[in-house]
Amino acid sequence: GENVEQHPSTLSVQEGDSAVIKCTYSDSASNYFPWYKQELGKRPQLIIDIRSNVGEKKDQRIAVTLNKTAKHFSLHITETQPEDSAVYFCAAKAAGNKLTFGGGTRVLVKP
Amino acid sequence: GAVVSQHPSRVICKSGTSVKIECRSLDFQATTMFWYRQFPKQSLMLMATSNEGSKATYEQGVEKDKFLINHASLTLSTLTVTSAHPEDSSFYICSARDVDRGRETQYFGPGTRLLVL
Repeated sequence: GENVEQHPSTLSVQEGDSAVIKCTYSDSASNYFPWYKQELGKRPQLIIDIRSNVGEKKDQRIAVTLNKTAKHFSLHITETQPEDSAVYFCAAKAAGNKLTFGGGTRVLVKP
Repeated sequence: GAVVSQHPSRVICKSGTSVKIECRSLDFQATTMFWYRQFPKQSLMLMATSNEGSKATYEQGVEKDKFLINHASLTLSTLTVTSAHPEDSSFYICSARDVDRGRETQYFGPGTRLLVL
């Protein structure tokens, strides 16, 4: 089955700096890669996703890149703000299959 | 994005009782819903896939007689934790699969915090 690894497990950045989270996956058939943000005690919220027919996608301060050859994808947050502090999860899915989640990255943005 | 609700948000029960958690897709139909369990500071652990009109598919190590799943309609799946024990205390989150123009997206409910005394 699919295996998703996520790094780093914790990330502390100064407000205004960029944050980068990286994930690798094992199943070459995976073609959908969402990113979720989870604040303490709340539900995971989908913040951006990418499908295997594109290599990069951007939404305001958030961008995701995908390298299918290397089987890795990354989340980039620019101009970080304190409200970006949360746990971020990457996930991967092949068609018709379930989502497999990474272990999560706890991001702390220091004012 | 699509909206998924979950009820109750929090429940405290005595050991040995059963607890039912409901997951509803509010503005779309979901033939497939998922139930996850999340321990503090850990990732989401898939327990089972709930399929409308058929039996749920359980992940390895999850007891189907302990965690009963019913997906009787296109907008509702229920998880019943039977004969709950303190070790069942956890954060349970459901998600629903939305398929829009052939593209699948998964949306999560707000979660249910279960405490078994």
